[in-house]
Amino acid sequence: LAKTTQPISMDSYEGQEVNITCSHNNIATNDYITWYQQFPSQGPRFIIQGYKTKVTNEVASLFIPADRKSSTLSLPRVSLSDTAVYYCLVGDRKAAGNKLTFGGGTRVLVKP
Amino acid sequence: DTAVSQTPKYLVTQMGNDKSIKCEQNLGHDTMYWYKQDSKKFLKIMFSYNNKELIINETVPNRFSPKSPDKAHLNLHINSLELGDSAVYFCASSQRQGGSNEQFFGPGTRLTVL
Repeated sequence: LAKTTQPISMDSYEGQEVNITCSHNNIATNDYITWYQQFPSQGPRFIIQGYKTKVTNEVASLFIPADRKSSTLSLPRVSLSDTAVYYCLVGDRKAAGNKLTFGGGTRVLVKP
Repeated sequence: DTAVSQTPKYLVTQMGNDKSIKCEQNLGHDTMYWYKQDSKKFLKIMFSYNNKELIINETVPNRFSPKSPDKAHLNLHINSLELGDSAVYFCASSQRQGGSNEQFFGPGTRLTVL
């Protein structure tokens, strides 16, 4: 069962790049890495997903090294509205069951 | 239209009571989930159903009983509520089961047990 570890919190300033690293040393061959964002009083929302190397979308980039034992979510030029909790999730591509694991989340505070 | 909806949004009740939380998704997804988020923001999966069939049942007291009357609904019934049940409960759905499928979460139900 792949367990994830993330920093508890990070502070940043508007316009800066924020990088959050998630450790998943026991990641299995079939596991995908997914990141979610959660604002206060809301449910988590999908940001990005990857299996290896680099994935980029309109919101973020996800960097995954060759050994896949960690991944880094990169948020370019953050704004105040990016203040949220970010969760790293490792899940088996096919399996329905017990490999859906959320990390503890990283609380990102963006300051003016 | 709300993709994943939950009712009620807030639920305050006394210890020992029985309560239910309802969840509906209009996305046509096959898989639905219940998560519990405690005060420290840890998000833990409780149950998952795929096409009305239970596929995940984590270590949850048997006071918690999910029910899926159809693919679009997954309700959570809790018997004999305890103080430790106080948390935010999230329903979610995904097109199919498996970790590569994006999950869509509902707004959450904040349960407070007094």
